[in-house]
Amino acid sequence: GAGVSQTPSNKVTEKGKYVELRCDPISGHTALYWYRQSLGQGPEFLIYFQGTGAADDSGLPNDRFFAVRPEGSVSTLKIQRTERGDSAVYLCASSLTSSRERGYTFGSGTRLTVV
Amino acid sequence: GENVEQHPSTLSVQEGDSAVIKCTYSDSASNYFPWYKQELGKGPQLIIDIRSNVGEKKDQRIAVTLNKTAKHFSLHITETQPEDSAVYFCAAKNSGYSTLTFGKGTMLLVSP
Repeated sequence: GAGVSQTPSNKVTEKGKYVELRCDPISGHTALYWYRQSLGQGPEFLIYFQGTGAADDSGLPNDRFFAVRPEGSVSTLKIQRTERGDSAVYLCASSLTSSRERGYTFGSGTRLTVV
Repeated sequence: GENVEQHPSTLSVQEGDSAVIKCTYSDSASNYFPWYKQELGKGPQLIIDIRSNVGEKKDQRIAVTLNKTAKHFSLHITETQPEDSAVYFCAAKNSGYSTLTFGKGTMLLVSP
């Protein structure tokens, strides 16, 4: 597609529920990143995929967070037993490759609200 | 790991004035420094970037400077316009890592 697409744009869920956030990267981009942005803060790294594999998941805050990219394109971020502190905008970005210094292209994000 | 500090947190200027946003980084191995503009309800958009082998880069009204010795870099916007109003983020990346570390952002408000 023309850009990085994230769905849904907004998600409200009850504490304790499970949520899935989807990211469609730019076609042909092999690198995919998930970031989390809290109000008034810069994006914070969660996980990075190169192709189908999670090359770096050091930013995931705990084992309630998990992400997959089974075919090397679309990625899903999964959050179990959601907590109010998980409320944030979840941003996805993609780039052609991570082997050279390149800027990412970000999607518009999914605003997650846990009530 | 890398730590990026960004100042100021808010900046108000009159249309036509210049705006400068400054960032410092901690990891001397960082070699890539992009700047992003984020408008309300949208994701960050890359506006300019600089690599450690150059000291300055310019693109129309926007310029970025890098001082590797002092480990700081700055964004300069000249002849500001109301549509420049947004949150601006600096970031840094070490070639040994795949991810960007962002500053906390600067809210720029350009008044007509």
